[in-house]
Amino acid sequence: GAVVSQHPSWVICKSGTSVKIECRSLDFQATTMFWYRQFPKQSLMLMATSNEGSKATYEQGVEKDKFLINHASLTLSTLTVTSAHPEDSSFYICSALTGTSIQETQYFGPGTRLLVL
Amino acid sequence: KQEVTQIPAALSVPEGENLVLNCSFTDSAIYNLQWFRQDPGKGLTSLLLIQSSQREQTSGRLNASLDKSSGRSTLYIAASQPGDSATYLCAVRVVGGSEKLVFGKGTKLTVNP
Repeated sequence: GAVVSQHPSWVICKSGTSVKIECRSLDFQATTMFWYRQFPKQSLMLMATSNEGSKATYEQGVEKDKFLINHASLTLSTLTVTSAHPEDSSFYICSALTGTSIQETQYFGPGTRLLVL
Repeated sequence: KQEVTQIPAALSVPEGENLVLNCSFTDSAIYNLQWFRQDPGKGLTSLLLIQSSQREQTSGRLNASLDKSSGRSTLYIAASQPGDSATYLCAVRVVGGSEKLVFGKGTKLTVNP
């Protein structure tokens, strides 16, 4: 099956620093990737849709200048949390889209746990 | 706005019991509904995907049903095992030119030996 990896799996950083999270589709190409955030005991909330070669589409309430997304190739999307603050501490999960039309399926990465001190 | 609700939020059962997890959604305009499993601190594993034209899907001890008109889905787990302990998430893919998934908060299942 399709495999999606994320790096790093966890990161601890000081408040005010920037953190980059990578999402890779290992055995398929993905023109579209998604970034989700999950707070404890909460559901996954879509942050943005990342499209290869174009600007990301952000969900309402998500600051595009704070969460920078770059989808530089068909197998890699990166999420950079700029000037991270403790409230940004969360579990970030990406997914990559494959398939055609209504048969499209999202495959999820293992997640990245971010702790901002 | 599509909202997905899962009941119960948590469930604890003895090993071997059959159980049902419930998912409801407010807007019936969906492409499909998907059930995922999430282990603590891990990503999501897709269990079953039901297209909007389908009524149910089965995989091993798992059976998922979909009643789109009433906005409901159930995940039936037969002969539960301790290894089934995890959080089960339900998500719908909304109609409207996007591949967006809307997730419920999940049901945390504990199967006791």
